[in-house]
Amino acid sequence: DAGVIQSPRHEVTEMGQEVTLRCKPISGHNSLFWYRQTMMRGLELLIYFNNNVPIDDSGMPEDRFSAKMPNASFSTLKIQPSEPRDSAVYFCASSPGTSSGNTIYFGEGSWLTVV
Amino acid sequence: QKEVEQNSGPLSVPEGAIASLNCTYSDRGSQSFFWYRQYSGKSPELIMSIYSNGDKEDGRFTAQLNKASQYVPLLIRDSQPSDSATYLCAVNTPARSYIPTFGRGTSLIVHP
Repeated sequence: DAGVIQSPRHEVTEMGQEVTLRCKPISGHNSLFWYRQTMMRGLELLIYFNNNVPIDDSGMPEDRFSAKMPNASFSTLKIQPSEPRDSAVYFCASSPGTSSGNTIYFGEGSWLTVV
Repeated sequence: QKEVEQNSGPLSVPEGAIASLNCTYSDRGSQSFFWYRQYSGKSPELIMSIYSNGDKEDGRFTAQLNKASQYVPLLIRDSQPSDSATYLCAVNTPARSYIPTFGRGTSLIVHP
């Protein structure tokens, strides 16, 4: 089975540019998560979708960040305009659903550097 | 108080020793507990899950859950250099719709 697929794996962009990160969850999984990981803050939840609907976006740092899930097999995280402090690893993860035994599976991450 | 707390480390142990990784959590309503391993430059991968008080063993790994103390450590027996990684503790709580909350992780170094 294919796992969670993310693209691009690495991106270097200039401050002010738009960045779009993409994710394909595991087939059949109903929940999708976007996390950001930095040395300073660890792994932070940005947004969570259930059945393609955003449920909790309280972790989205500011209006420059937006996320969509137009269908069950695709999600995007967009940063516009990007800033150097957005440099981090962005992980997409999916799970079969939300229950007490919920286990999530991570993609390989998108390594973003904003210069 | 952070929801999930771990010692950042690094924790350095010799090959063959027992590595003990700590994790405490703040929400007494937490129901599910997970340990993920993350190699440098890679994504977190699940290595253990535990739901009931007591010990759960999987090969060289043992997760221990003590809900009264809100403590869920991970023990690694016969540590190998290949165990060198960051270990992330995650907790699911109904108050957060069972969305995993992660600790900052403990860096483990196993030296030959």
